[in-house]
Amino acid sequence: NAGVTQTPKFQVLKTGQSMTLQCAQDMNHNSMYWYRQDPGMGLRLIYYSASEGTTDKGEVPNGYNVSRLNKREFSLRLESAAPSQTSVYFCASSGRVLRGYTFGSGTRLTVV
Amino acid sequence: QKEVEQNSGPLSVPEGAIASLNCTYSDRGSQSFFWYRQYSGKSPELIMFIYSNGDKEDGRFTAQLNKASQYVSLLIRDSQPSDSATYLCAVYAYSGAGSYQLTFGKGTKLSVIP
Repeated sequence: NAGVTQTPKFQVLKTGQSMTLQCAQDMNHNSMYWYRQDPGMGLRLIYYSASEGTTDKGEVPNGYNVSRLNKREFSLRLESAAPSQTSVYFCASSGRVLRGYTFGSGTRLTVV
Repeated sequence: QKEVEQNSGPLSVPEGAIASLNCTYSDRGSQSFFWYRQYSGKSPELIMFIYSNGDKEDGRFTAQLNKASQYVSLLIRDSQPSDSATYLCAVYAYSGAGSYQLTFGKGTKLSVIP
């Protein structure tokens, strides 16, 4: 089925560990996004990639890095995880302008 | 700073009633408007979008847009328990360098009581 695939679905990290969240879309979309969602805070944009080869910071980029590997894949890396990064992370993509975003199923990350 | 405001709720309605969800936005340059539904523990899914002033109907859902008042709403007729979810309003606006971005509200939690 066409869509946005995120891996892993669940992850527990210890403080200071690193990890990469993977995202891939098969809809030939140009733009891809990483959000985090916390209770009472809504969706907050971490980084986005308007097109292959470009990345830009969103609202809450500190502690994260991203790579737009090709048109399909956009990864999010936590270099040194902190408990404040405990959250649900969503990847999204968009194609035609003004058609909204398609979201992946999310990664639930806990940092202890 | 582009802002999208929603009442957090919870909004409780009896089964079969009309649920009315409201949203205001700050950027007058916004061009299109979206409603997402998010069940607990799941990702947001698009249920409606609207570009022009007025009403747009899709089954039991009606989106209403008033650009002069910077207001968009979602009506759910004949509400069902399966409609219980958080509804996110999202507004699309040009953010420069050829890029459009969605700004999301924090969502309104709807509970439909059987």
